[in-house]
Amino acid sequence: GENVEQHPSTLSVQEGDSAVIKCTYSDSASNYFPWYKQELGKRPQLIIDIRSNVGEKKDQRIAVTLNKTAKHFSLHITETQPEDSAVYFCAASPGQAGTALIFGKGTTLSVSS
Amino acid sequence: DTGVSQDPRHKITKRGQNVTFRCDPISEHNRLYWYRQTLGQGPEFLTYFQNEAQLEKSRLLSDRFSAERPKGSFSTLEIQRTEQGDSAMYLCASSLDVTEAFFGQGTRLTVV
Repeated sequence: GENVEQHPSTLSVQEGDSAVIKCTYSDSASNYFPWYKQELGKRPQLIIDIRSNVGEKKDQRIAVTLNKTAKHFSLHITETQPEDSAVYFCAASPGQAGTALIFGKGTTLSVSS
Repeated sequence: DTGVSQDPRHKITKRGQNVTFRCDPISEHNRLYWYRQTLGQGPEFLTYFQNEAQLEKSRLLSDRFSAERPKGSFSTLEIQRTEQGDSAMYLCASSLDVTEAFFGQGTRLTVV
């Protein structure tokens, strides 16, 4: 089955800096890669996702890049703000019937002002 | 509220008791997932349904755990003979095929 590794486990940045979180996956059949943000005491919520037919996707200050050959994908947050502080999870799914969405262990991002 | 709902939100049980949780997914969603989350960790996959068929179970899932999704609508997760190590947040999520998975608020289980 799929295995997703996520690094770093914690990340501290100053407000306005960029933050990068990296994930690797094991199943070459995976073709859907979402990123979730979880604030303390709340449910995970999708912030951006990418499919294997594109290499990069942007949404305002957030971007995700995918390298299928190397089997890794990254989340980039620019101009970080204190409200970006949360736990971020990457996930991967082969997308076929019978295959689940598998998550990384998470990165705790702290943005200090 | 048309999102994913879970019941109960909190459950405290004595070790050795059985517990059952319910998840009501978004109505048109065919995929339903159960995850377990402990503090500081990512959602750990437990099991997954496509409509009423349970298509995948984590090999880490002991035989004390069982899940059902009759008629492809709501799902239940039962834990038999609970142990202290079962204490965690149990999250349910649903999606329409391979699209955004929406999570419920979770059921926090405490085994004493």
